[in-house]
Amino acid sequence: SAVISQKPSRDICQRGTSLTIQCQVDSQVTMMFWYRQQPGQSLTLIATANQGSEATYESGFVIDKFPISRPNLTFSTLTVSNMSPEDSSIYLCSVEDPLLGANVLTFGAGSRLTVL
Amino acid sequence: AQKVTQAQTEISVVEKEDVTLDCVYETRDTTYYLFWYKQPPSGELVFLIRRNSFDEQNEISGRYSWNFQKSTSSFNFTITASQVVDSAVYFCALTGGGSGGYQKVTFGTGTKLQVIP
Repeated sequence: SAVISQKPSRDICQRGTSLTIQCQVDSQVTMMFWYRQQPGQSLTLIATANQGSEATYESGFVIDKFPISRPNLTFSTLTVSNMSPEDSSIYLCSVEDPLLGANVLTFGAGSRLTVL
Repeated sequence: AQKVTQAQTEISVVEKEDVTLDCVYETRDTTYYLFWYKQPPSGELVFLIRRNSFDEQNEISGRYSWNFQKSTSSFNFTITASQVVDSAVYFCALTGGGSGGYQKVTFGTGTKLQVIP
């Protein structure tokens, strides 16, 4: 299956600052997905990052708050902008892994952000 | 709209006990996929199984087994002879089975399993 490297693994941030999370995949993939997992909650899809086009954001998430880059088929970044304590979450990068089956996702280890 | 319900928020069992994690889903699609993922304390979600809506055969993999029942819209997961390493949050998930490429995944809220030694 695909191997995803995500960094930072965790960070403590100050209110009002921004943080960029990086996601590197060991194979070329068309779509990369960014999820948020708030403490004790399920996974919520933030956006889908396609190479060469704008990311597609889910309801409740906007580009100004969560800008995404997708410069090539193996890399993406998610920035959490102007952070507030409500942004404290685990942010997960994932890709569809055809080796495991259609619609099966492989995830990075996540980036655990704490905003003070 | 699709929905996945995992009514059990947290379960604690003593090591070697069997435990079943419940999953009930809602979908209007005639073709769909069901999944289980495991999220250990380290945080990384791990894929466990995918089941096609046309395949109602139960599946066993080692100590893990899955019971898919279309009649009750359930896809339950049983761990036999539980071990401490099974302690994790388990997510049930659902996608449509359309032919137009990747289908968005709907996750349940997860069941936290604690296996006590």
